[in-house]
Amino acid sequence: DAGITQSPRHKVTETGTPVTLRCHQTENHRYMYWYRQDPGHGLRLIHYSYGVKDTDKGEVSDGYSVSRSKTEDFLLTLESATSSQTSVYFCAIMGTSGSNEQFFGPGTRLTVL
Amino acid sequence: QKEVEQNSGPLSVPEGAIASLNCTYSDRGSQSFFWYRQYSGKSPELIMSIYSNGDKEDGRFTAQLNKASQYVSLLIRDSQPSDSATYLCAVNKEYGNKLVFGAGTILRVKS
Repeated sequence: DAGITQSPRHKVTETGTPVTLRCHQTENHRYMYWYRQDPGHGLRLIHYSYGVKDTDKGEVSDGYSVSRSKTEDFLLTLESATSSQTSVYFCAIMGTSGSNEQFFGPGTRLTVL
Repeated sequence: QKEVEQNSGPLSVPEGAIASLNCTYSDRGSQSFFWYRQYSGKSPELIMSIYSNGDKEDGRFTAQLNKASQYVSLLIRDSQPSDSATYLCAVNKEYGNKLVFGAGTILRVKS
């Protein structure tokens, strides 16, 4: 258990509304990641963070923003949700061993109607 | 060409058999390779990491890496119904601390 929690675990929202997902970790890991998982596409990186206030885009960042004001929290925001953002969202951290190993949170299932 | 490719399956094997899962990747600079297991409705769980050419064994699992052929595989010996899951291959990108994932192979072990 890498000490990662995600909230909410499930959310149903309507098109055009803002949505924020939270990832919280308790072990002071520097690197945190947000992925989405869709059938046939596997896990795709949305954004990642390499420290407080240090973030960068992944391969599917359009329509998403992130913030990291504290080491333990990494927030993913959909400014105006669309149906194409219906997905399962996973947060991950990189272990501190320098091995590039990533460990995942339990996920958030988001449905945009 | 996808950066990490896996056969989507499903791969069906009888209980007790060896399951062989394969993965190819395109970035020759990749140095770290991982296998994750994901049960339906759950998050991915890291089961094997491999960094150098050859075999790495952990219990019933063996990871094999061939950088020249850009190929990594996972063997599961004495397959059990509890091994039925989706197996994701992940490879680090040459620069930065990012992983690229394959779409996964569904494994079904029949008792």
